[in-house]
Amino acid sequence: AQSVAQPEDQVNVAEGNPLTVKCTYSVSGNPYLFWYVQYPNRGLQFLLKYITGDNLVKGSYGFEAEFNKSQTSFHLKKPSALVSDSALYFCAVRAPGSSNTGKLIFGQGTTLQVKP
Amino acid sequence: DGGITQSPKYLFRKEGQNVTLSCEQNLNHDAMYWYRQDPGQGLRLIYYSQIVNDFQKGDIAEGYSVSREKKESFPLTVTSAQKNPTAFYLCASSISLPGRRLNTEAFFGQGTRLTVV
Repeated sequence: AQSVAQPEDQVNVAEGNPLTVKCTYSVSGNPYLFWYVQYPNRGLQFLLKYITGDNLVKGSYGFEAEFNKSQTSFHLKKPSALVSDSALYFCAVRAPGSSNTGKLIFGQGTTLQVKP
Repeated sequence: DGGITQSPKYLFRKEGQNVTLSCEQNLNHDAMYWYRQDPGQGLRLIYYSQIVNDFQKGDIAEGYSVSREKKESFPLTVTSAQKNPTAFYLCASSISLPGRRLNTEAFFGQGTRLTVV
């Protein structure tokens, strides 16, 4: 079964420090991986995606993510965290399959708290 | 201004009542999705539609129904059969062209918070 895991419910970092939000996946075939951010009582905003090519993907608001096929991971990173980065972050995957429905499978989310 | 519009933002349902959540998009996307969000559980797929007049059940379709009569609209009805409907509901859409279905991101509406009173 296809699945996505975000092992940390919450990540706490100080403003200006680097941040990492972890994501691992389990799919058959080559995955298409996505990161979204959600602010309170709002919808999800797309941050970045990995389709193919360079393992380091750059996205919105200074975020980037590194695809690691051998570790089946797609961790979200930012070199210097801002207080305004505090939000709920979701990792998601689409995988090739016979149904080819395009469904997104989400992790359970990680709350990022950046303290001044 | 292009995007996905969900309404209402807040909705209250009495026991035994059906309610309908609206989702409209002007992005010319073929695919539309409904997700349910509960604290600590991420997003779970309720229904999805790849094309007008066609839709499929997701992982938690029981107690819900949808229609897709127009490309722009994908309303979700929460029926009285849904025993625990209190949640945050998110509608999304994406391009669904052959060969591009999997590598395109989904765009989300702002959500509807449904509460049973």
